[in-house]
Amino acid sequence: KAGVTQTPRYLIKTRGQQVTLSCSPISGHRSVSWYQQTPGQGLQFLFEYFSETQRNKGNFPGRFSGRQFSNSRSEMNVSTLELGDSALYLCASSPLGTSSSADTQYFGPGTRLTVL
Amino acid sequence: DQQVKQNSPSLSVQEGRISILNCDYTNSMFDYFLWYKKYPAEGPTFLISISSIKDKNEDGRFTVFLNKSAKHLSLHIVPSQPGDSAVYFCAARRDYKLSFGAGTTVTVRA
Repeated sequence: KAGVTQTPRYLIKTRGQQVTLSCSPISGHRSVSWYQQTPGQGLQFLFEYFSETQRNKGNFPGRFSGRQFSNSRSEMNVSTLELGDSALYLCASSPLGTSSSADTQYFGPGTRLTVL
Repeated sequence: DQQVKQNSPSLSVQEGRISILNCDYTNSMFDYFLWYKKYPAEGPTFLISISSIKDKNEDGRFTVFLNKSAKHLSLHIVPSQPGDSAVYFCAARRDYKLSFGAGTTVTVRA
């Protein structure tokens, strides 16, 4: 089975621009979560989608948004980029989107976003 | 508000010895705890997990211990191998959302 894929892997943008990141979950997985990783901060939860609906949201400003398509693929959008948005953005998928102990999240390699 | 904390940013251990990574949490509503391992330029890889109703889970060289009264969990790696050198993240789950610690960088010395 192919793993979680994220595109692009690297991205350079300037302040004020907007960016869209893409995530393709493992086949059959219905839940997709997004995380931001910055040095010293660990992974910060952005949001989680299940069956095209945002089910959970972290403490990020409204400039960060996302969506999920009927094939479970997900996109994340950041508008009006700031220097502090430079980070590794990770996508994770899980099979059932439940609280089952078997429903572990599997991560993609991430998209490295640099804002200049 | 950091609900999951890994207070040791780094750990150096000799090959063949035990590595012990620690993690503390504040939210008693977490129902599931996980450890992930991350190599540079890769996403985190799931290692081992434990339900909040258990106090120990073992998988090969990896054992996770949970002390709910102390809100503390630990990961034991025995014996440590050079390939174990990586960043280890502790995570806790509530309502489909994972809260991560800042990570501990493990270096296994030959």
